[in-house]
Amino acid sequence: GENVEQHPSTLSVQEGDSAVIKCTYSDSASNYFPWYKQELGKRPQLIIDIRSNVGEKKDQRIAVTLNKTAKHFSLHITETQPEDSAVYFCAATPNTGGFKTIFGAGTRLFVKA
Amino acid sequence: DSGVTQTPKHLITATGQRVTLRCSPRSGDLSVYWYQQSLDQGLQFLIQYYNGEERAKGNILERFSAQQFPDLHSELNLSSLELGDSALYFCASSVDAGISYEQYFGPGTRLTVT
Repeated sequence: GENVEQHPSTLSVQEGDSAVIKCTYSDSASNYFPWYKQELGKRPQLIIDIRSNVGEKKDQRIAVTLNKTAKHFSLHITETQPEDSAVYFCAATPNTGGFKTIFGAGTRLFVKA
Repeated sequence: DSGVTQTPKHLITATGQRVTLRCSPRSGDLSVYWYQQSLDQGLQFLIQYYNGEERAKGNILERFSAQQFPDLHSELNLSSLELGDSALYFCASSVDAGISYEQYFGPGTRLTVT
């Protein structure tokens, strides 16, 4: 069935360093790939997304890359700050009439000051 | 604030009981999604409704059902509750219809089954 694998499960970086989170999806019909940030006890919040007709997208310190052939996509956070500490989820959504969004298991990011 | 509202915020009930969770989407959004998030777990897609009709289904248990009403609010019904149903239940909404895929999440309902 549909599956999204996300690595690493935990990531600890020093403030100012970069963080990279990688995801692989199985459903080739997936054409929309959002990334969500979830702080403890809060709702997931969309931080960036990419569609299958685009290879890379950037928004200030955050960028996402997509390799459709390899079925993987990555989140890059540069110049990390302590407030970036949270759980990050990738997701893949196939457009097959409905939008059955499959989430990765999450990456817990710690940014040490 | 995403504009998506969910009630109640917290719910404590006993095994075997039935509960109803309510979600109001953002103004203008036609799609509603339901997700389950167990402790320290990822988000499991349950079901999607679009303008009153079921559009996509995930691994939703037969004891769970949902519907979307003409005013576009949605309810998730959980019956014959088990301890393992304790989780955070999120609702999300989006415009869809080829306009925008972004999903906006509500604050969640924390369900505790004792």
